[in-house]
Amino acid sequence: GESVGLHLPTLSVQEGDNSIINCAYSNSASDYFIWYKQESGKGPQFIIDIRSNMDKRQGQRVTVLLNKTVKHLSLQIAATQPGDSAVYFCAELLEYGNKLVFGAGTILRVKS
Amino acid sequence: DTAVSQTPKYLVTQMGNDKSIKCEQNLGHDTMYWYKQDSKKFLKIMFSYNNKELIINETVPNRFSPKSPDKAHLNLHINSLELGDSAVYFCASSQAGRGDGYTFGSGTRLTVV
Repeated sequence: GESVGLHLPTLSVQEGDNSIINCAYSNSASDYFIWYKQESGKGPQFIIDIRSNMDKRQGQRVTVLLNKTVKHLSLQIAATQPGDSAVYFCAELLEYGNKLVFGAGTILRVKS
Repeated sequence: DTAVSQTPKYLVTQMGNDKSIKCEQNLGHDTMYWYKQDSKKFLKIMFSYNNKELIINETVPNRFSPKSPDKAHLNLHINSLELGDSAVYFCASSQAGRGDGYTFGSGTRLTVV
């Protein structure tokens, strides 16, 4: 079945440290994953995506890692800043209907 | 210019009422969606429309009726509102088959009292 979930509901980090947010999925046929950031009062905002033919993808200060063997992906944020405080979701994009199946979300709190 | 705009941002109404939420996108996308976010922040798709045609109806009660007059608009009408309908509703749009252009509106917080 379709299931995307997160290990940690809340993550607190010191400003300047690196953050790692984890996500597990259950559908071994999944081939496209996206990380979203949701700030208070706003809709989810695209951060980075990765296809199953890749293990790693880097953006600006963010890296997504995909481990298909254990069906796990992670989002790494380098030098975390106060503006990174938000709820982060992993999601799987399903081809049928182009629908997103979201994980439960992780709250990231950055302490100054 | 707001890419995906939905109105109203806040909606407070009594049980049993009928209400509508409107959504418009100016991105030229061919697919639009409604998602519901509950009090625990869980996001789940409700409907998906491609070029005005319903593609996905995710076992949503038939009190919820989406309408797409053209591919740039997808409205959501809710009849006989119930307490459990209280949530944040997000409109989104994308190009079919694409994930990187998937854009969400800022949400409509519906409170049923």
